[in-house]
Amino acid sequence: AQSVTQPDIHITVSEGASLELRCNYSYGATPYLFWYVQSPGQGLQLLLKYFSGDTLVQGIKGFEAEFKRSQSSFNLRKPSVHWSDAAEYFCAVGPISTLGRLYFGRGTQLTVWP
Amino acid sequence: EAQVTQNPRYLITVTGKKLTVTCSQNMNHEYMSWYRQDPGLGLRQIYYSMNVEVTDKGDVPEGYKVSRKEKRNFPLILESPSPNQTSLYFCASRSAGQGAYEQYFGPGTRLTVT
Repeated sequence: AQSVTQPDIHITVSEGASLELRCNYSYGATPYLFWYVQSPGQGLQLLLKYFSGDTLVQGIKGFEAEFKRSQSSFNLRKPSVHWSDAAEYFCAVGPISTLGRLYFGRGTQLTVWP
Repeated sequence: EAQVTQNPRYLITVTGKKLTVTCSQNMNHEYMSWYRQDPGLGLRQIYYSMNVEVTDKGDVPEGYKVSRKEKRNFPLILESPSPNQTSLYFCASRSAGQGAYEQYFGPGTRLTVT
């Protein structure tokens, strides 16, 4: 069965520090990969996506993610975190064969210290 | 403006009282889905629809019904709500077009069942 693992439930970083949020998936073929962010009381906003091609993808708000096929990973990174980045981050996988379906990880809560 | 709308945004109800949460999209998307979000569990798919009159169960369909009589609307029906259906619900849509794999999410409906 497809699964998405975000190993870190909660991460705390200082403002200005670098950030890496981990995501691993379990699926037979390369799926479509997404990172979403949810600010408190808000809906989901798409940060970035990977379908094919260059394995390093750039997103909004200065985020980037790297797809590593050998590790079945799609980690999210930001070189310098801002206090406004405090939110919950979700990795999602859309297997090609399942079209409309999307599988989410359990989320990583990011706290940013001033 | 392209968007997915949900109504109501907040709802408090009692056990057993039938309710419907509406979802509408104005992007002419074929695929529509319902998710529920619970703390520590991420988003889990309830039902999805690939087009008018075509629906299928997601991962947590028990206690829910859906219908897709029109392309733009995908209501979620709780015939006899129970407290374990207290959750944050999201509707999403995406196009079936080649390369259009991104899902667009509504703002969410927070449901409390007492």
